[in-house]
Amino acid sequence: QKEVEQNSGPLSVPEGAIASLNCTYSDRGSQSFFWYRQYSGKSPELIMFIYSNGDKEDGRFTAQLNKASQYVSLLIRDSQPSDSATYLCAVKNVNDMRFGAGTRLTVKP
Amino acid sequence: DVKVTQSSRYLVKRTGEKVFLECVQDMDHENMFWYRQDPGLGLRLIYFSYDVKMKEKGDIPEGYSVSREKKERFSLILESASTNQTSMYLCASSSATGGLQYEQYFGPGTRLTVT
Repeated sequence: QKEVEQNSGPLSVPEGAIASLNCTYSDRGSQSFFWYRQYSGKSPELIMFIYSNGDKEDGRFTAQLNKASQYVSLLIRDSQPSDSATYLCAVKNVNDMRFGAGTRLTVKP
Repeated sequence: DVKVTQSSRYLVKRTGEKVFLECVQDMDHENMFWYRQDPGLGLRLIYFSYDVKMKEKGDIPEGYSVSREKKERFSLILESASTNQTSMYLCASSSATGGLQYEQYFGPGTRLTVT
């Protein structure tokens, strides 16, 4: 069983819509959770991190965490073509950080 | 801004060659990591280091070794390159004092092709 699971996609949404990206993890001791964006041929860059249950908003991005369900999500409001990328979920426990395989998002004009 | 640099963006090597991938960070970070990224498999940890001259195996260390002689530099060594080591290699660093905000900063990556 993979430690961090994401739907590989591709997820396709029209411009202006809400994109919803999901991630589940297996280690209940996980402490903090990260969303990275990776454009094709580029390295991952951090979008948001969250460590408390609930929602955390930053501009058009909202991260949601539910530790009881071992679930973290990223919502992108008013999606733009420039949001087209692969989104990596990362989960930190005591000793290390684990990455999901990523969800490829395409925003169509 | 944190800057993590890698010695090459693209590298082509032959089977059996010894390959060195260099990574340098300029933020005085204690932690440094080497990953490889393959389609459908995500980021897989090869080795990491929490201090100078210290190294720990990650999930897929076979066929690789590392060296950390200085705090800012972490090298990945492929002792005898094989075609199944063709991949994107990413170096990352992070602060040990980041607490819950344990962001890893990534270098631009090295796309290695072994023929």
